[in-house]
Amino acid sequence: GEDVEQSLFLSVREGDSSVINCTYTDSSSTYLYWYKQEPGAGLQLLTYIFSNMDMKQDQRLTVLLNKKDKHLSLRIADTQTGDSAIYFCAEIDQYSGGGADGLTFGKGTHLIIQP
Amino acid sequence: EAGVTQSPTHLIKTRGQQATLRCSPISGHTSVYWYQQALGLGLQFLLWYDEGEERNRGNFPPRFSGRQFPNYSSELNVNALELEDSALYLCASSLVTNEQFFGPGTRLTVL
Repeated sequence: GEDVEQSLFLSVREGDSSVINCTYTDSSSTYLYWYKQEPGAGLQLLTYIFSNMDMKQDQRLTVLLNKKDKHLSLRIADTQTGDSAIYFCAEIDQYSGGGADGLTFGKGTHLIIQP
Repeated sequence: EAGVTQSPTHLIKTRGQQATLRCSPISGHTSVYWYQQALGLGLQFLLWYDEGEERNRGNFPPRFSGRQFPNYSSELNVNALELEDSALYLCASSLVTNEQFFGPGTRLTVL
């Protein structure tokens, strides 16, 4: 079955860049996602990338996809205290029954911001 | 545009009881997904409804069930509650499979 792996914690200084990494096993993954979860809240869709793309940029966020190594990363430029949250990597195989298995999530990376 | 809404915010039940959780999708979205976020287990796919039909379910026992109404809102029912059902239950809606937008969740506590 599919598996998505992330490191559990990342600590960065305010103003630095944060890079959160993720690896996945399903070579059929068609879309890969980054979600943000703040304490006591639901998931906020930050960005996603189609599997035939290498990179996607959206303001302070840059997603890089290395399909050969099945490695996905999220870079947050100029990290702020408001970026403190859990970041989930997720994937879906759109063509497996039209997304019938839902999203497969990693365990999440806690981003800790140091002043 | 209103986002996905879920009710209630918190629900406390005892073992053996039944719980009903509700979800209203974003206007125009026809698909609703349910996920369970349990401590230590992460986020797991529960159910997918589209156009009123259950399209698929994750690896959960039959006591987890639900339905989708003609207005695309959805209900998740959990029968014969067990302690390990305590979790945050998240609902997501989508118009196309590649974009799922989540609600704030319902925190279910089973005593």
